[in-house]
Amino acid sequence: EVHLAESGGGLGQPGGTLTLSCAASGFTFNTYSMNWVRQAPGKGLEWVAYISNDRTTYADSVKGRFTISRDTAKNSLYLQMNSLRADDTALYYCARDANWSFDFWGQGTQVTVSS
Amino acid sequence: QSALTQPRSVSGSPGQSVTISCTGTTSDVGASNLVSWYQHHPGTAPKLIIYYVSNRPSGVPDRFSGSKSGNTASLTISGLQAEDEAAYYCCSGTGSLTWLFGGGTKLTVL
Repeated sequence: EVHLAESGGGLGQPGGTLTLSCAASGFTFNTYSMNWVRQAPGKGLEWVAYISNDRTTYADSVKGRFTISRDTAKNSLYLQMNSLRADDTALYYCARDANWSFDFWGQGTQVTVSS
Repeated sequence: QSALTQPRSVSGSPGQSVTISCTGTTSDVGASNLVSWYQHHPGTAPKLIIYYVSNRPSGVPDRFSGSKSGNTASLTISGLQAEDEAAYYCCSGTGSLTWLFGGGTKLTVL
């Protein structure tokens, strides 16, 4: 059974750094691309970042501030978030990529940016 | 990158059908068949219900169907059931390996 479990959320300072993790199990992690998607309070879903074996892409809203990475030996996905802003406050989901869609999602980890 | 346009809310009675539209541009929805739809109940993980415009993942009832015409994609839910009450999001991939979501539509089953 596919399982994705995010962690690392919490309270971050404006201008500060947080790193999220996503532990994957139940599938061959290194054969799938992965994504981060977020949902701000009272708002809709927003795609944040993508990683394949040879490429990463980002939403304009996070480009230059966030870095997506993966450790296939640990079956883990990461999102390093630098220069945090109040509008980065959201529930962050990791999601598996299949057929240009997101076929499995974790339960999310909450990030709050506030001083 | 502007979000795709969805109606904020739709409603229907049990057994009826509803259709949710998703309007984009020639750069996203209109450019390819990379449209997917997600059902999201509060407090749970979003669930993929349609990919490549009209394909259903295993386990998704055939009451859910998708289509596309030009820059507008549509999700139709027939035979509405109480458990269909949720938020629904469309999403379009782009040629540059980025994705755009719609603003979401809240479905109320009356």
